[in-house]
Amino acid sequence: ETGVTQTPRHLVMGMTNKKSLKCEQHLGHNAMYWYKQSAKKPLELMFVYSLEERVENNSVPSRFSPECPNSSHLFLHLHTLQPEDSALYLCASSQYSLPGTYRMNTEAFFGQGTRLTVV
Amino acid sequence: GDSVTQMEGPVTLSEEAFLTINCTYTATGYPSLFWYVQYPGEGLQLLLKATKADDKGSNKGFEATYRKETTSFHLEKGSVQVSDSAVYFCALSGEGFKTIFGAGTRLFVKA
Repeated sequence: ETGVTQTPRHLVMGMTNKKSLKCEQHLGHNAMYWYKQSAKKPLELMFVYSLEERVENNSVPSRFSPECPNSSHLFLHLHTLQPEDSALYLCASSQYSLPGTYRMNTEAFFGQGTRLTVV
Repeated sequence: GDSVTQMEGPVTLSEEAFLTINCTYTATGYPSLFWYVQYPGEGLQLLLKATKADDKGSNKGFEATYRKETTSFHLEKGSVQVSDSAVYFCALSGEGFKTIFGAGTRLFVKA
């Protein structure tokens, strides 16, 4: 059983819709991630929230907007998506040591993903 | 920057065959190394890990040894089963909080 839960598991949306993906982690981790997995493409890191700092991949379009209200919850807000945005969206969490100590990041724990289809 | 290169798939094997999936990395410092597995319709699951040179990670009959001299972390299994059919990802975690993933290698095991 995963300690990272994503909802919904499947989502079909039109290009004019607004929807949100939700992720919740029960592992006490301090870093959360959104990844995009497309067919025949490597895993693409979209956003990282760690220690209240957000790091993003500058190539991610602005129609994707993350929100991290606390260390256990992460959202990905979707707005006016394109068909090429159809993919599996994976949330993950890990524990990152604080700056000043030996820098170490534990392995990432993944949710089961949301299969998004944009029509 | 840090990177991971793994062999392209798909890899097709018969049941009970020996499996090797090659993985090499580029990183500064002393990264931790991982293998993840993704079954159809699922997220990634950690398969095994190694946190320092010469460590051997093992799980479910799979093994990988952290070779700093060759910057490699090859995945091996002595006898694969149909249930091992999945996509396997090599990954590293170095400085900072990003985990770098390889492109993934799809494994098909035939009965």
